[in-house]
Parts: sequence; C-alpha cells; structure tokens
Amino acid sequence: DTGVSQDPRHKITKRGQNVTFRCDPISEHNRLYWYRQTLGQGPEFLTYFQNEAQLEKSRLLSDRFSAERPKGSFSTLEIQRTEQGDSAMYLCASSSGTGGTSGQFFGPGTRLTVL
Amino acid sequence: QQQVKQSPQSLIVQKGGISIINCAYENTAFDYFPWYQQFPGKGPALLIAIRPDVSEKKEGRFTISFNKSAKQFSLHIMDSQPGDSATYFCAATPFLTLDRLFGNEKLTFGTGTRLTIIP
Repeated sequence: DTGVSQDPRHKITKRGQNVTFRCDPISEHNRLYWYRQTLGQGPEFLTYFQNEAQLEKSRLLSDRFSAERPKGSFSTLEIQRTEQGDSAMYLCASSSGTGGTSGQFFGPGTRLTVL
Repeated sequence: QQQVKQSPQSLIVQKGGISIINCAYENTAFDYFPWYQQFPGKGPALLIAIRPDVSEKKEGRFTISFNKSAKQFSLHIMDSQPGDSATYFCAATPFLTLDRLFGNEKLTFGTGTRLTIIP
C-alpha cells in the first residue's frame, strides 16, 4: 500500500500524559500537513511541512503541541500534558504540490481519547 | 472563524435520486475547491475538484457547479447509490496563487454533510 499511513490508529490516555503520533506520507510527496477533526466537524489545519521545514503553524497549535519531520520523510506530532479537549481525530495528509492540482491525500487518522 | 459554510447538515435521498450539497465561501483568495468523501473510521478521500475558471466539472456521476460571482459551489451526485452513503466535505484553498515551491495548500473545510441513500 503506497498511501499515507498513520500510527497508532487509536490512542487512549489519561489527562496529563504525553502522546506521540506518527505519519508516513506518500514517498514522493514533499508536502505534509496535520489536521485535527472533532466529531461532526470538518478537519482543521494544524501545521504544514515543506520537506523538513515547518513553514506554518495554526493558532490551534498551542505550546503543548510540537511537530517534526526529520529528513523530510515521516512526521511526528507530540502532545504534552494532554487535556480532555485534545480528544479528536488527528489526520495527516501529503501532496506533491505539482501538476496544477492540489491533491492532498489523507491517512486514516489517529483517534485520541483523553480520559 | 468559519470561512466555508456547508449545507445541509444531513441529507436522505432515495436510491437513483440526485443528491445536492451546497457550499459558500467568503475568502476571495480561495481559488481551488475540492470535495472530499469520508467513511466512518477513515480519512477523507479526494472525490472531485474545480478551479474557478470553469463553471462546471463532471466526473462520472459526480458534478461540481461553481458560481464565482456568488462565491458558491455545489456537488451533485446523480443516480445516488447506497455505497455513496458517507459524509461529504467541501473545501477551499488558495492553491493556484501560491508560491510554487513553498506555498501552503492548507484546506479550509466545511462542516460536512452526512448523506444517507435509502433503497
């Protein structure tokens, strides 16, 4: 399967714990995005990487959130001191940014539940 | 700040009928409008997209109609089938005017429409 993959698919944690999610984009895609989706809502942009450079962060990304993309390949999203309001589906997407079309391909997401 | 408004929130259509979902945007910088289909427990999947230099785009049973002056666009699903039952999201991005090397194609999504096709 050459699509976007995310791990884990589900994560249950207690409030105050740290969690880390991983995203593996489509191999030839140099652009990587993180979105957050809460129940009944559309995905909301969190942050964007062009290769290894993090070029934009949303105001939604508080200081407790950090994302990295070492070597411009896979990416990790870490949430420190989780809060119940962090419960959501965290989606990763990638694109090549070429060809005149914005084809962002999404992974299956990581569903986070904070108890 | 919701920049893309989507309606209806839910829609029930009989098999074989036409499903219509509407979206309106505010940001005039948006110039690329994709639609995504999402099944429960899955990530959104790109369905069809349109640029503002055309008023309509058709791919199989799916058609996007675009009205630039009204800043509105809609998805029509012809001959709706039970397998089309899913949540549909419209989205918008300023893709075409972005810097080619470093432009952020971030998508602004609507709130979604839960479509149910009944026999």
